[in-house]
Amino acid sequence: QQQVKQSPQSLIVQKGGISIINCAYENTAFDYFPWYQQFPGKGPALLIAIRPDVSEKKEGRFTISFNKSAKQFSLHIMDSQPGDSATYFCAAMTTDSWGKLQFGAGTQVVVTP
Amino acid sequence: EAEVAQSPRYKITEKSQAVAFWCDPISGHATLYWYRQILGQGPELLVQFQDESVVDDSQLPKDRFSAERLKGVDSTLKIQPAELGDSAMYLCASSLEGLNSPLHFGNGTRLTVT
Repeated sequence: QQQVKQSPQSLIVQKGGISIINCAYENTAFDYFPWYQQFPGKGPALLIAIRPDVSEKKEGRFTISFNKSAKQFSLHIMDSQPGDSATYFCAAMTTDSWGKLQFGAGTQVVVTP
Repeated sequence: EAEVAQSPRYKITEKSQAVAFWCDPISGHATLYWYRQILGQGPELLVQFQDESVVDDSQLPKDRFSAERLKGVDSTLKIQPAELGDSAMYLCASSLEGLNSPLHFGNGTRLTVT
């Protein structure tokens, strides 16, 4: 059973637009929520991560919004660029099981010129 | 920037054959992970090492999969015999010991079982 549900499966956004990817989880013991970016033929690369004691974290054009009560978190990619075209995975894990990431199914983002 | 090295990049094998993958983590990283990523899905942890000891292998199909990290540095993941359902990307990752240490993934080995 997938512990982290991710949507949409894919999205197309124009250059300069905003990409939004949503994830939901059930396990309230999760206390670390990273996002990974994966290009074809490459391994996942850590993009940004958040802990549940903050509601938002921003790094450059990437922002995580976290809603603890709803058990949801999302990634916003502002001013999307063609180089952002990749598959994005949300994930979650507990501090007690550091390294045992539970990944969502992924979202393929295509940014058109 | 230091990287996690994996070989081979691609492997094609027939079912019932044995296959092995190798991983060299970033120097100094005590924790090593093997993840499996089926096409169109997120990675799933197979086994986690702390130095040479297995920390978690609860998702490793032990009837056919084995993993070792004899000197606490590089690691080998073996499948014997391979089955069609084993076709996937096998990813190795490493991290420094301790909490809050991010996982760094290698580029994986793409296995195709025919």
